[in-house]
Amino acid sequence: DTAVSQTPKYLVTQMGNDKSIKCEQNLGHDTMYWYKQDSKKFLKIMFSYNNKELIINETVPNRFSPKSPDKAHLNLHINSLELGDSAVYFCASSPSSGTGTYNYGYTFGSGTRLTVV
Amino acid sequence: GDSVTQMEGPVTLSEEAFLTINCTYTATGYPSLFWYVQYPGEGLQLLLKATKADDKGSNKGFEATYRKETTSFHLEKGSVQVSDSAVYFCALSAGGFKTIFGAGTRLFVKA
Repeated sequence: DTAVSQTPKYLVTQMGNDKSIKCEQNLGHDTMYWYKQDSKKFLKIMFSYNNKELIINETVPNRFSPKSPDKAHLNLHINSLELGDSAVYFCASSPSSGTGTYNYGYTFGSGTRLTVV
Repeated sequence: GDSVTQMEGPVTLSEEAFLTINCTYTATGYPSLFWYVQYPGEGLQLLLKATKADDKGSNKGFEATYRKETTSFHLEKGSVQVSDSAVYFCALSAGGFKTIFGAGTRLFVKA
């Protein structure tokens, strides 16, 4: 199926651990995103890559590091996990023109629920 | 800066009732406007979009009209079903690679 797939779907880990979330899309899109959704459903952009180049890097602790090995993959590594990192993390993708994703909607993955204990 | 304001939820309706979820925006230039829906335990799905003034986006019985004069993009459905229970997000893209999402409005539909 064509989709944006994230793994794992659930992640429970202890404070201080390091973890990674993987994302893959087979839609042929050239732009990918990481969003964080808190318990009140508020969505916060974290990072975006366009053709493997980092183009959005919001105010996020440097414990969070994205990596895009190719256009179809965007991974998120988190060091020294803290209680406040507990949230649902969404990967999304979009096609783009040369200047942005203006007219295009996003396709989201189903999310990774991270719980730090 | 650009922003999206949605009506606060939750919105609770009986089945077959008329739905309106208000959305207003602030943006420089001429943004594209979107509605997304998030069902429990799932990611957001694009519901409909409009890319210029007076455009009407529609999908699955939902509609929204891009009103430049009132900077609004209200979501409507004539007759809601229990299966429409979800969180609805209004969003805008005013150029570049960033989309601004509203805070979301939770809809409960009772049988």
